[in-house]
Amino acid sequence: KAGVTQTPRYLIKTRGQQVTLSCSPISGHRSVSWYQQTPGQGLQFLFEYFSETQRNKGNFPGRFSGRQFSNSRSEMNVSTLELGDSALYLCASSAAFDRGGRGRGMKETQYFGPGTRLLVL
Amino acid sequence: QQQVKQSPQSLIVQKGGISIINCAYENTAFDYFPWYQQFPGKGPALLIAIRPDVSEKKEGRFTISFNKSAKQFSLHIMDSQPGDSATYFCAASKTTRTGSARQLTFGSGTQLTVLP
Repeated sequence: KAGVTQTPRYLIKTRGQQVTLSCSPISGHRSVSWYQQTPGQGLQFLFEYFSETQRNKGNFPGRFSGRQFSNSRSEMNVSTLELGDSALYLCASSAAFDRGGRGRGMKETQYFGPGTRLLVL
Repeated sequence: QQQVKQSPQSLIVQKGGISIINCAYENTAFDYFPWYQQFPGKGPALLIAIRPDVSEKKEGRFTISFNKSAKQFSLHIMDSQPGDSATYFCAASKTTRTGSARQLTFGSGTQLTVLP
């Protein structure tokens, strides 16, 4: 199986602009989570999507948003970029199941993509 | 609020030695503790994970030791190799009510260098 893919790999933007990052999960995985990695704050959870619905959200301002499509691909958007948004944005996919659905149990492992390196000037 | 504290920040060991990285958590609701390995330019990759109902789990050269009462867990890398040089992150998460993927709370990371 192909791994998690993220595009673009590198991005340079200026303050005030907005950016959209894309993530394609492993085939068959329905859950996509986003994390921000910076030298100062480390790895921090942004949000998670399952079946096109945001299930969990981390402690980030509303400028950070995301969505998931019917094919499980996900995008995250950051509006009005700030210098502090410079980071590696990681996407992780997992075969999580909805306990209210037909699936049993919950798949634990999250598989990370290579990330998108965003630099805000 | 840092819920998972990781130490040391950096570690240098000789080839063949034992690398030990420690983590401590605060939230007693955490019930899943994975370790991730990250190489430069790559995303984190799961190494090994443990649940609090066992005190130790071993996979190859990697062992997790878990102390529930102390709320601590550690990663031991036996016979460390130069190829193990990477950044290691501990993480913790709790079962979500919705049953969706776990939200991982990561430690701050340990930069491991294994000298040849």
